[in-house]
Amino acid sequence: DTGVSQDPRHKITKRGQNVTFRCDPISEHNRLYWYRQTLGQGPEFLTYFQNEAQLEKSRLLSDRFSAERPKGSFSTLEIQRTEQGDSAMYLCASSPSLGGGPANYGYTFGSGTRLTVV
Amino acid sequence: AQKITQTQPGMFVQEKEAVTLDCTYDTSDPSYGLFWYKQPSSGEMIFLIYQGSYDQQNATEGRYSLNFQKARKSANLVISASQLGDSAMYFCAMSSFGNEKLTFGTGTRLTIIP
Repeated sequence: DTGVSQDPRHKITKRGQNVTFRCDPISEHNRLYWYRQTLGQGPEFLTYFQNEAQLEKSRLLSDRFSAERPKGSFSTLEIQRTEQGDSAMYLCASSPSLGGGPANYGYTFGSGTRLTVV
Repeated sequence: AQKITQTQPGMFVQEKEAVTLDCTYDTSDPSYGLFWYKQPSSGEMIFLIYQGSYDQQNATEGRYSLNFQKARKSANLVISASQLGDSAMYFCAMSSFGNEKLTFGTGTRLTIIP
């Protein structure tokens, strides 16, 4: 396993369409995170999973956004009725469950999916 | 709430010189970690270095070192002997113990001049 894989790398969609992104974490990592990065900003936390349980969701995650991680393996992020403001890079990261303390060296990011809503 | 401030939107540095990227943070949590990531134009976030709030010594990783001044709430990244491949966006981030969510700053775009 060479790292966190995200698909697709780029997505262009028309406003109002639904899109789905996929993230495959490092196989031994049981924690998975989604971040959104808009132009000129740092990544912002969206949500995270421990195994298949979604443990935290940001207020940035409106009701048009949904994330799943069936069977605790890969995860999908779906955006319904896309808006131009959804245009951003969507980053996925995974980490092992170290227990206590920040997940320092174990936090690995994927290359992201760049979404453009036209 | 946590906050990371990076006040240098862009920096230009001559190759082989050392460079310091500034980062200040704000948190009410007693235990936390500070991180630096590099983001090349390809988009992935590459982990560079980590400093725990209770670590007595400043962290070092090869050419990277973190100048941690807890009383001033600063965590500056120092890159020694800069190389052309160091040109990228650099982000400072933090998280609290027991909460793996990272809070990022707005980043600094570093350009190394040959």
